[in-house]
Amino acid sequence: GNSVTQMEGPVTLSEEAFLTINCTYTATGYPSLFWYVQYPGEGLQLLLKATKADDKGSNKGFEATYRKETTSFHLEKGSVQVSDSAVYFCALSDLQGAQKLVFGQGTRLTINP
Amino acid sequence: SAVISQKPSRDICQRGTSLTIQCQVDSQVTMMFWYRQQPGQSLTLIATANQGSEATYESGFVIDKFPISRPNLTFSTLTVSNMSPEDSSIYLCSATSWGSGNTIYFGEGSWLTVV
Repeated sequence: GNSVTQMEGPVTLSEEAFLTINCTYTATGYPSLFWYVQYPGEGLQLLLKATKADDKGSNKGFEATYRKETTSFHLEKGSVQVSDSAVYFCALSDLQGAQKLVFGQGTRLTINP
Repeated sequence: SAVISQKPSRDICQRGTSLTIQCQVDSQVTMMFWYRQQPGQSLTLIATANQGSEATYESGFVIDKFPISRPNLTFSTLTVSNMSPEDSSIYLCSATSWGSGNTIYFGEGSWLTVV
């Protein structure tokens, strides 16, 4: 079945550092890929998405490129801020009518000033 | 976009009781789902809420434990029955609409603690 694997956390960085959170997936067909973010004490928010190979999703300085050849969707940001501290979830959906999401295990990111 | 409201947002429940969580969407949506996020874990799909018919449950989840209703296109409920401490989780409602570019929206979650 479909699955998502994220790099293990927690990840701790200093402000203005470069961020990469790795995400790889296993899926049949052509899934859509997502990054969701969960800030402390809040619900889940969509950060960015990509629906086909070579698409790049971007939002709030974060980017991720749908790489079919490596089955990856790594999240990157060039200069992180303290406010980026949160848990990040990579997910995929099978677009065969279901729109159900399969999530990775989540990566807790802490940014120190 | 769709705004999803869940009630209650938090609750502390006694072991053996049941609690119903409500999910209201501000626009008509095609698909509604319920997820569970156990402490420190990722999200797991419980079931797809089908309008006017029985929900479709994922492996490991059963209707007797998690009865779900969806009487119309914008509202659904999830009941957590006969709760035990292992049911302490965040329960999230999710919805999607073809008109939204297949964007999948989430409510803010209902944080349940069973004591």
